[in-house]
Amino acid sequence: GENVEQHPSTLSVQEGDSAVIKCTYSDSASNYFPWYKQELGKRPQLIIDIRSNVGEKKDQRIAVTLNKTAKHFSLHITETQPEDSAVYFCAHQGITGRRALTFGSGTRLQVQP
Amino acid sequence: EAGVAQSPRYKIIEKRQSVAFWCNPISGHATLYWYQQILGQGPKLLIQFQNNGVVDDSQLPKDRFSAERLKGVDSTLKIQPAKLEDSAVYLCASSLDWGDQPQHFGDGTRLSIL
Repeated sequence: GENVEQHPSTLSVQEGDSAVIKCTYSDSASNYFPWYKQELGKRPQLIIDIRSNVGEKKDQRIAVTLNKTAKHFSLHITETQPEDSAVYFCAHQGITGRRALTFGSGTRLQVQP
Repeated sequence: EAGVAQSPRYKIIEKRQSVAFWCNPISGHATLYWYQQILGQGPKLLIQFQNNGVVDDSQLPKDRFSAERLKGVDSTLKIQPAKLEDSAVYLCASSLDWGDQPQHFGDGTRLSIL
């Protein structure tokens, strides 16, 4: 199947702490894994993505790790700030059959000042 | 570059009425997607176009939903007749090509069915 499970559904951290969101997928053929940030009433915005030929990618305070053997990938946000508060969605795309993105159910991140 | 444009931003209709949404993708993007996002859930693909051809419409409720991208640029999504469970945000996205290409979303149309 093409399902993706995302955990936790809600996450509250203190400003400056790190936040980690994890997704598990079932399609072993998946090769593209983007993360989107969605603020209330706004469009999903791509914040980082990773392809299956690498295990980790960083962009300033954001990093994504991929474990293809275990079929899970994670988003890491360091030194969190109040403006990081939003809903974060993971997604993945396979290379056969349906090639559209399948999204997780989202994680509501609240950064407490 | 200009982003994905969608209209209208909001629409309120009664059940059994019809409604249409419009999307203009990023210039040069061959692939266009329509997603449905129900409150508290992730976006779910309805239909995917490559230029003016349909790549995937397996999750489109074809008895009431239809979509077209006649000239391979703009696209319209129509619902007729609408049901209460169609209340959602309808998001359009585009990418340069299909495959592992970043998808960029529009602001969406929030549809409320009374």
